[in-house]
Amino acid sequence: GAGVSQSPRYKVAKRGQDVALRCDPISGHVSLFWYQQALGQGPEFLTYFQNEAQLDKSGLPSDRFFAERPEGSVSTLKIQRTQQEDSAVYLCASSSSGKANYGYTFGSGTRLTVV
Amino acid sequence: RKEVEQDPGPFNVPEGATVAFNCTYSNSASQSFFWYRQDCRKEPKLLMSVYSSGNEDGRFTAQLNRASQYISLLIRDSKLSDSATYLCVVNEGGGFKTIFGAGTRLFVKA
Repeated sequence: GAGVSQSPRYKVAKRGQDVALRCDPISGHVSLFWYQQALGQGPEFLTYFQNEAQLDKSGLPSDRFFAERPEGSVSTLKIQRTQQEDSAVYLCASSSSGKANYGYTFGSGTRLTVV
Repeated sequence: RKEVEQDPGPFNVPEGATVAFNCTYSNSASQSFFWYRQDCRKEPKLLMSVYSSGNEDGRFTAQLNRASQYISLLIRDSKLSDSATYLCVVNEGGGFKTIFGAGTRLFVKA
């Protein structure tokens, strides 16, 4: 596609509910990143994929967070048993490069509110 | 100490002014540096990469000082449309983990 597409744009979840957030990167982009952005803060790194391989998941805050990219294109970020502190904007970014010295293109994000 | 630190601002400047932001980073092994711009309730967008020799793109100039571990962004002849949050971004050498600063807010007034 022309840009990075994320869905849903907004998600309201009851505490304890599981959610799945989708990211469709720019076609052919090798690298895919997930970030979490709390209000008034910069994006915080969650995880990185190169094609279907998850090369870095050091930023995932707990074992309730799980990400996958099984065919090297679309990625899903799953949050189990959501908590109020999970409320944030979840941003996906992709890059054509497999190296870290290029900038990324971000999607519009999914705003998750846990009530 | 945070890995990437920025003055949160806000910077309030009149149109036509020159404004500069600094950002410091803690990891001396960092290799790649960027400035992103983020408008309210929008996603970050790449503004420019920062090269060791410094680089310029129109009204925007970015500089890197490895010895002091800081990068800077200079905006000349500010426009109303420059109002946004400017995010300093640093990539740790050898990995893919990219660290964002919390951002500096800029308001350009008529």
